[in-house]
Amino acid sequence: AQSVAQPEDQVNVAEGNPLTVKCTYSVSGNPYLFWYVQYPNRGLQFLLKYITGDNLVKGSYGFEAEFNKSQTSFHLKKPSALVSDSALYFCAVRDGASGTYKYIFGTGTRLKVLA
Amino acid sequence: DVKVTQSSRYLVKRTGEKVFLECVQDMDHENMFWYRQDPGLGLRLIYFSYDVKMKEKGDIPEGYSVSREKKERFSLILESASTNQTSMYLCASSLWVEQYFGPGTRLTVT
Repeated sequence: AQSVAQPEDQVNVAEGNPLTVKCTYSVSGNPYLFWYVQYPNRGLQFLLKYITGDNLVKGSYGFEAEFNKSQTSFHLKKPSALVSDSALYFCAVRDGASGTYKYIFGTGTRLKVLA
Repeated sequence: DVKVTQSSRYLVKRTGEKVFLECVQDMDHENMFWYRQDPGLGLRLIYFSYDVKMKEKGDIPEGYSVSREKKERFSLILESASTNQTSMYLCASSLWVEQYFGPGTRLTVT
């Protein structure tokens, strides 16, 4: 069965500092991994994805994520946080080998960037 | 840009009412999804559809049904609304992997 864990409900970081939002996953086949961001009263916006290839994936707004197969992790990172990055972040996984269209989302991590 | 629209941003209904939530996408995507979002629970899949008139149950289909008569439109139906269906409902569409979400409908059942 597929599952996603986001172990931190909230992450606080000072503006200008690097940020990391953690995600671990479990799938039986090949993982398709995603990060989405949700601003207040909005739907989710796609940030980046890992399907295959380079383990370091670059996405929108300066975000990147590193796929680590041995640790089954896909942590979201940014070298220098902005106050405007404050939002709710969701990690999601889909089993790429099974042919399913079913995505499993984590419970979300609220990022607060302090000025 | 892909646009996914949902018929209402806020909706208040009474217990026992039949409720229709509509979702329309303009990018000819094959796949469409309905999720509900609750604090601390993340997004949970209710139903998805991979073609017109085709649907599959997600993780929490009880109390819901769906309809997809046209490719661009995917409707979520609450047959008899209950207070535990008070939630944020998000529609999404996708062509292959990444999903595009609508703005959400915040439904309150009183």
